[in-house]
Amino acid sequence: ETGVTQTPRHLVMGMTNKKSLKCEQHLGHNAMYWYKQSAKKPLELMFVYSLEERVENNSVPSRFSPECPNSSHLFLHLHTLQPEDSALYLCASSPDGAWEQFFGPGTRLTVL
Amino acid sequence: GEDVEQSLFLSVREGDSSVINCTYTDSSSTYLYWYKQEPGAGLQLLTYIFSNMDMKQDQRLTVLLNKKDKHLSLRIADTQTGDSAIYFCAEIYGGSQGNLIFGKGTKLSVKP
Repeated sequence: ETGVTQTPRHLVMGMTNKKSLKCEQHLGHNAMYWYKQSAKKPLELMFVYSLEERVENNSVPSRFSPECPNSSHLFLHLHTLQPEDSALYLCASSPDGAWEQFFGPGTRLTVL
Repeated sequence: GEDVEQSLFLSVREGDSSVINCTYTDSSSTYLYWYKQEPGAGLQLLTYIFSNMDMKQDQRLTVLLNKKDKHLSLRIADTQTGDSAIYFCAEIYGGSQGNLIFGKGTKLSVKP
């Protein structure tokens, strides 16, 4: 499989649940990103990892916890979310030092 | 803070030209991007322009950049129904790789 993949594509969870979003890229990139896209706001950058180290964290609440075990995989661990966290979560990757980012299809998250 | 503004909707007839406009605030932006999002899909990079260029043409797409006014536009010639999507303008914030600031997106509807 090529490109950037994300699983699951859709997720419904309660506020007390713990779940994880997974992103995988097969492009040989070494920078990966999590974005949040909600209906009421522009696309927001959440986390950036370069060579498996976090380099950017845009003041994201601690109920979102990223993990990058290697340059091909990125996780977003979710716990005690709020209904306003319902959104499309997009993963992207890029070659380190390059400007162009390649996006996955996103995970549509609904928090009840 | 940094901001990217776009009109939210545009409706055109098939065969006409579409022009989607965007304004941005970071004068140090080195690259500006246009992304396309189709229903159920992730963001797809359509085209980008380097800040020392005024225009870039790629088949039916023409990007115009006015650095003085911080205005970016995307023109789609001979618009087709398959061009119906949301188009996002984005700029690199602060010259930092990975820190893209997106507009809210312009929904383009193409009528037969």
